[in-house]
Parts: sequence; C-alpha cells; structure tokens
Amino acid sequence: AQSVTQLGSHVSVSEGALVLLRCNYSSSVPPYLFWYVQYPNQGLQLLLKYTTGATLVKGINGFEAEFKKSETSFHLTKPSAHMSDAAEYFCAVMYSSASKIIFGSGTRLSIRP
Amino acid sequence: GAVVSQHPSWVICKSGTSVKIECRSLDFQATTMFWYRQFPKQSLMLMATSNEGSKATYEQGVEKDKFLINHASLTLSTLTVTSAHPEDSSFYICSALMETTEAFFGQGTRLTVV
Repeated sequence: AQSVTQLGSHVSVSEGALVLLRCNYSSSVPPYLFWYVQYPNQGLQLLLKYTTGATLVKGINGFEAEFKKSETSFHLTKPSAHMSDAAEYFCAVMYSSASKIIFGSGTRLSIRP
Repeated sequence: GAVVSQHPSWVICKSGTSVKIECRSLDFQATTMFWYRQFPKQSLMLMATSNEGSKATYEQGVEKDKFLINHASLTLSTLTVTSAHPEDSSFYICSALMETTEAFFGQGTRLTVV
C-alpha cells in the first residue's frame, strides 16, 4: 500500500542547532512530496514541495528538503533552529496530480533554549 | 499564498443535532476540495474528496450518510455532520486544490458534541 512514514514522533533540538525531520514514502513511482507545518489549533501551512526538477527544494522560514529517489526519502532540514520553529510538522504525498494528499503521522518539534 | 476560509472555527452542539461546516476558497477556484479529520496529537485522516458538481468520494470506513459533503460551486464545499454524537467531536480541516499540486488549508473547525 502506498504510504508515507515519519520517523520520530517527537524531536527536540537546542536553539541554533540543526533540525532534521525524516520522511520516507513507499511507491515505485516518485510522488509529489510536501512538508507542512501546523501550529496548535490551526490549519496547515505549506513549507515546501517537490514536484519535478531540482531535488533540493528550498522553502519558507529557512527550511529545505532533498528528494532522494534511491532512498525514497524527503527529509526536512534547517541549519539553525529558532524558538518559533516549535510546531507539528507533517510530510505528505500526492501520487498523481490532482489526487488526494496522504499525510504522515507527524513529528512534533520542540526547541530547547 | 491563496486563502481558504473555513467557518465556523469552533462549534458546540447537542448530541443528535446536525452541524454544517463551510470551506471557501477566497481568491481562486477549486475543482477539488478535501475534508480531513484530526484527533488530538494525531495526523490528518482523509475523510473524502469533493469534486465540484459531482458526488464526493469517501475513504474506506467513513460513513457517507453521516458526513454529508456538498461541493455546489468552485469556491464552496460544505461538510454536514448529521445526528452528531460525542464520538464525532474532533478537529475538521478542509483543503482546496489550486492547480494540480498546490493545496491550501482552512484554519480548521473544532467540533464538540455534548
């Protein structure tokens, strides 16, 4: 079955440290890939997406992600964490254009002062 | 980015009553909209895909007679929770698809059934 897996339900890093949130998908055909952020009791905001072209994708708030077909991964990184980055992060996939978006289980990012 | 407005942001209703949630794309037309349900500290579970002018496609396990979805125009989709019960209490989020790979989300509706 097609799915998306996020390793680590909770990640805690110090302010200024590297942020790495992991995402793997299962599919023989590379899907469209997304990272969203959700703050408490709010909807989702798109951080970045990969559709075609360059495999390193830059998003908002200093985040970026790299699509690695050989590893079926789309990990999210940020060089230096900020307190305002504390939120829930969701990796998501779309297996064909205009089709449904399937979400991973989410990773809660905490930032230590 | 594009704006999707979801209304109401929160609602409390009595058990047995029905509640309607609206999802509007304010500055673009959305042929396809999605409805999700989110339990506390969990991910978004897709309930149904709503296409303008046609019947919604429900995910397995979602009761179509309980969760009525209407997508009568390119800017509005509604979700009606019929005969609501406490177990229907949840956070409901809609999403509107602009173009083929750009999805924008509403701010969510917190439903509490008492």
